[in-house]
Amino acid sequence: NAGVMQNPRHLVRRRGQEARLRCSPMKGHSHVYWYRQLPEEGLKFMVYLQKENIIDESGMPKERFSAEFPKEGPSILRIQQVVRGDSAAYFCASSPSSSSGNTIYFGEGSWLTVV
Amino acid sequence: AQTVTQSQPEMSVQEAETVTLSCTYDTSESDYYLFWYKQPPSRQMILVIRQEAYKQQNATENRFSVNFQKAAKSFSLKISDSQLGDAAMYFCACGIIFGKGTRLHILP
Repeated sequence: NAGVMQNPRHLVRRRGQEARLRCSPMKGHSHVYWYRQLPEEGLKFMVYLQKENIIDESGMPKERFSAEFPKEGPSILRIQQVVRGDSAAYFCASSPSSSSGNTIYFGEGSWLTVV
Repeated sequence: AQTVTQSQPEMSVQEAETVTLSCTYDTSESDYYLFWYKQPPSRQMILVIRQEAYKQQNATENRFSVNFQKAAKSFSLKISDSQLGDAAMYFCACGIIFGKGTRLHILP
């Protein structure tokens, strides 16, 4: 029973390029969460998605960031025109149903470095 | 909106001793869950313990236990008989919102 799978694990992008991070939830999980962790900082909630729906995007920066979780395939966090400040670890997590009571299970993270 | 506050950025404890990590939270939900996660140097997020807010009994998992004070919105983690492998960042969470973490050092 595979856990939450994230790829790529490490991604290097030049300033101005696009970064796409993918997340496949655990089998049977229909809810996906994205978090950002800056160096030496905590986990900052970004967005919560169900299949084909964004439930809560209150933590997403207003520009350049978007997320989707299509009916088929992984969830994708997309960062356009990356800047140095986007360098961080991006964690995906999933849960079987609504967020309030279920434990969320994390992937191993994707490390984005912007040069 | 939910908020989680961990007021101790770093703590140290002697091996085999007991340490308590503090966490306070705020939520408008009537039914919610609280969690402690551990992030070792590998950066993997590992669930340590969880507490259902409607349960008065404090959760326990082996050497890890919580002191849940619902009225005070406090959810501290106690680690007994600390081991070198306990060294990590510890994050408190209310639902899907996390605190900034406490870095725990274990002194041999």
